[in-house]
Amino acid sequence: DIQMTQSPSSLSASVGDRVTITCRASQTISSSLNWYQHKPGKAPNLLIYAASSLQSGVPSRFSGSGSGADFTLTISSLQPEDFATYYCQQSYNIPYTFGQGTKLEIK
Amino acid sequence: EVQLVESGGGLVQPGGSLRLSCAASGFIFSSFAMSWVRQAPGKGLEWVSGLSGSGGSTYYADSVKGRFTISRDNSKNTLYLQMNSLRAEDTALYYCAKAQDIGSSRRGFDYWGQGTLVTVSS
Repeated sequence: DIQMTQSPSSLSASVGDRVTITCRASQTISSSLNWYQHKPGKAPNLLIYAASSLQSGVPSRFSGSGSGADFTLTISSLQPEDFATYYCQQSYNIPYTFGQGTKLEIK
Repeated sequence: EVQLVESGGGLVQPGGSLRLSCAASGFIFSSFAMSWVRQAPGKGLEWVSGLSGSGGSTYYADSVKGRFTISRDNSKNTLYLQMNSLRAEDTALYYCAKAQDIGSSRRGFDYWGQGTLVTVSS
């Protein structure tokens, strides 16, 4: 199975900050990498697919980059509604493994 | 509007069985692969199982292989997860999720249900 490792596991930041979360795969996965935002009591929300494509309806402050085994999710200017847990997920091979999550908290 | 509504969760003893359902609407159900993803208390997301639009191809995580069976009834727009030989570590909120693309889950899951809670305890 492909292992996905996110860093950091948690992050404190302020409204307006630029934030970057990284995700590393245990083998090359081309661009088959998706990012989700998950808030307590809500369904996960697809933000970025295929490493860098913005999902319809997602604000442009979210962006993704990377290919091969190393990927990043960037939020250019944090808004209050962005405080949540973020997960990367590889869709290159079954099982479709997720990273362990990055909890983004208010500083 | 796409909707996914899970049901069937509950409290079950170790070794017991449960069948989850996911009622879908708002899209051509038979065209899209579907998956089950779970979240154990205090833990992250774990993909559990998936199947093709026709139901002819099924896939499982090693942690549930041989115990869980995924299926779908395209005439009823419903996805199922039959869970047997349940263990305490299967305790989780179970989500059904729709693949974004026809015929592939490569571009992620674009719609999710709200989840149904499964608790395995004596």
